[in-house]
Amino acid sequence: KAGVTQTPRYLIKTRGQQVTLSCSPISGHRSVSWYQQTPGQGLQFLFEYFSETQRNKGNFPGRFSGRQFSNSRSEMNVSTLELGDSALYLCASSLWGEILNTIYFGEGSWLTVV
Amino acid sequence: GENVEQHPSTLSVQEGDSAVIKCTYSDSASNYFPWYKQELGKGPQLIIDIRSNVGEKKDQRIAVTLNKTAKHFSLHITETQPEDSAVYFCAASRMDNYGQNFVFGPGTRLSVLP
Repeated sequence: KAGVTQTPRYLIKTRGQQVTLSCSPISGHRSVSWYQQTPGQGLQFLFEYFSETQRNKGNFPGRFSGRQFSNSRSEMNVSTLELGDSALYLCASSLWGEILNTIYFGEGSWLTVV
Repeated sequence: GENVEQHPSTLSVQEGDSAVIKCTYSDSASNYFPWYKQELGKGPQLIIDIRSNVGEKKDQRIAVTLNKTAKHFSLHITETQPEDSAVYFCAASRMDNYGQNFVFGPGTRLSVLP
């Protein structure tokens, strides 16, 4: 069973540009969440999507957005990039239900803003 | 909101010794506690988890204990090996009106010295 797949793995962008990152969840998983990981701030929750709807959102500015497609694949977008957006962006997927579920992470997308 | 503290931030042990990492959480409604291992350049990988109706769980050399009254849980690794060297993250999770919420600790960098 394939794991969570994220593309691209590495990218370099210039300040002011925008970037789109893609995530394919584990087959059968319907919930996708995104996290930003930096050395100073650790793992910080960005947002979660289920059934093409954003269900939960962390404390990030509106420059950070996302969406989920009908096949559960998800994308996140960061507009007007700032140097501080340099980070590892992690996607995680899980089954959805009324019980607590485990989340499984992808390998991440390393974003460097110069 | 939930706050998860994790100690120590770095830990060095000799190969074959045991390692213990401790986490505390603030929200008594949290009832699912996973642990992740993150190797250099990779995404976090689930290694063990525990739910609030269980006090201890073991999987070969890894065990997790949970004290709900004190609101803390610990990861125990016995007979450590060099390949156990990584960053370990604990997390606390609960369901709310928006779905499942995860809050991560800041991580512990474990070094196993040969």
